[in-house]
Amino acid sequence: QQQVKQSPQSLIVQKGGISIINCAYENTAFDYFPWYQQFPGKGPALLIAIRPDVSEKKEGRFTISFNKSAKQFSLHIMDSQPGDSATYFCAASNGRGSTLGRLYFGRGTQLTVWP
Amino acid sequence: DSGVTQTPKHLITATGQRVTLRCSPRSGDLSVYWYQQSLDQGLQFLIQYYNGEERAKGNILERFSAQQFPDLHSELNLSSLELGDSALYFCASSPSMTGELFFGEGSRLTVL
Repeated sequence: QQQVKQSPQSLIVQKGGISIINCAYENTAFDYFPWYQQFPGKGPALLIAIRPDVSEKKEGRFTISFNKSAKQFSLHIMDSQPGDSATYFCAASNGRGSTLGRLYFGRGTQLTVWP
Repeated sequence: DSGVTQTPKHLITATGQRVTLRCSPRSGDLSVYWYQQSLDQGLQFLIQYYNGEERAKGNILERFSAQQFPDLHSELNLSSLELGDSALYFCASSPSMTGELFFGEGSRLTVL
C-alpha cells in the first residue's frame, strides 16, 4: 500500500514554464514532507522540505504548497530549466528525532524540460 | 558529492547466493538508513541504525540483515538471493534530528 501517492508519473515542460507535481497522503501522523531530486546514476538529494504548520515554503525557484485539510502537497518549479530535468520524489515522515529520516516516498515524477 | 560512500557500485550474482553491501556515512553523521529502489516498489525504507543501534525497521525481508559498526560504517547483508532482489540499494546518512538524508550513489544488485 502506497502511503504517499504522487502524480503525474512523467511531465514535459518547456523552458521557462512552470512544473507542478502533486502528492497526497492519508496518514495524519505525517508531519515532515520533503522533496528529493534524483539525477540518473546518482542518489536522491534533498531539494526542499515543509512542516504542516505552514502552507507554503519557497526556496529560489522551488515552492512547496501544503494543504493540511486536503492532505495534499505539491512542488512548483518556476522558470523551469533544462538542468531541472530529473526525477522528483515527494516523501513523508512521522518519525521523531533520530528517526525523522524514515521516509515514505512517492513513486516519482520524471521531469523533462525542453530548451 | 554527498559524502556517503557505497561499495560495490555494481554486483552480479546468482540466485541462492549471499552478498554484503557496505556504506560509509558522512563524517559525524550517526544515523545510517538503507533504502531499496526498484521499478516495482519504488524507494522503500529497509532499516535504520543510530550510533550502532537499530532504531527503525521497515519492509526488510528476514533474509536481509544489517549492522552498524563502532566506526559508524554499515553493512547490509542479503542472503538466499532471489531474482526479485535485483534492485538499487541506497545508503543514506543523516545528522541527528534534522531529517535530511544524504544518499550515496547506490549499489546496483543484479541476481541472475
